[in-house]
Amino acid sequence: NAGVTQTPKFQVLKTGQSMTLQCAQDMNHEYMSWYRQDPGMGLRLIHYSVGAGITDQGEVPNGYNVSRSTTEDFPLRLLSAAPSQTSVYFCASSPGTGGFTQYFGPGTRLTVL
Amino acid sequence: QKEVEQDPGPLSVPEGAIVSLNCTYSNSAFQYFMWYRQYSRKGPELLMYTYSSGNKEDGRFTAQVDKSSKYISLFIRDSQPSDSATYLCAMKGNSGAGSYQLTFGKGTKLSVIP
Repeated sequence: NAGVTQTPKFQVLKTGQSMTLQCAQDMNHEYMSWYRQDPGMGLRLIHYSVGAGITDQGEVPNGYNVSRSTTEDFPLRLLSAAPSQTSVYFCASSPGTGGFTQYFGPGTRLTVL
Repeated sequence: QKEVEQDPGPLSVPEGAIVSLNCTYSNSAFQYFMWYRQYSRKGPELLMYTYSSGNKEDGRFTAQVDKSSKYISLFIRDSQPSDSATYLCAMKGNSGAGSYQLTFGKGTKLSVIP
């Protein structure tokens, strides 16, 4: 099993550009989530999903969209990138719907100029 | 006040020392308590979890939860240089919207010096 995979590993965007961060898991987990990690702020939940077709907002959802058309994939879309979205983004998955024990991907380092 | 408070450190200890890492929280609805370990430039990995109050031991690691004080701890015995990482506490409730969301502390950076 590859576990949770994220692409790309690194990305540089200009202000106003849009892009999609990809996340996939091969463990047949129902729950998937996106976090951002900033120095001094810890991990903050952006969006999460408890199954295909079901998504909900976390603590910091503004400027981000998600969809969950399959169990395996949970892409995160930045609509119009801003410098405040410079961060490390982690995708995670968990068996069941409670998000109790989460398996994290390796992260995507995003810089917005 | 943030729901979960964790001293960011850094904490530096000699090899073989006992390490104590702590978090406090304000939300009495939290029922599940977890500790994640994150090596530099990697994703976090789950170390241990406990439900409600009490202790849990796994090898050199012991997790304690005191719900009356809203205080959780992770103890590492006989610390090793390979334990050098950032340790994140995380919590969640077991009902309503809070049952689907983990709230993390900011993490404590630990260095174990050989």
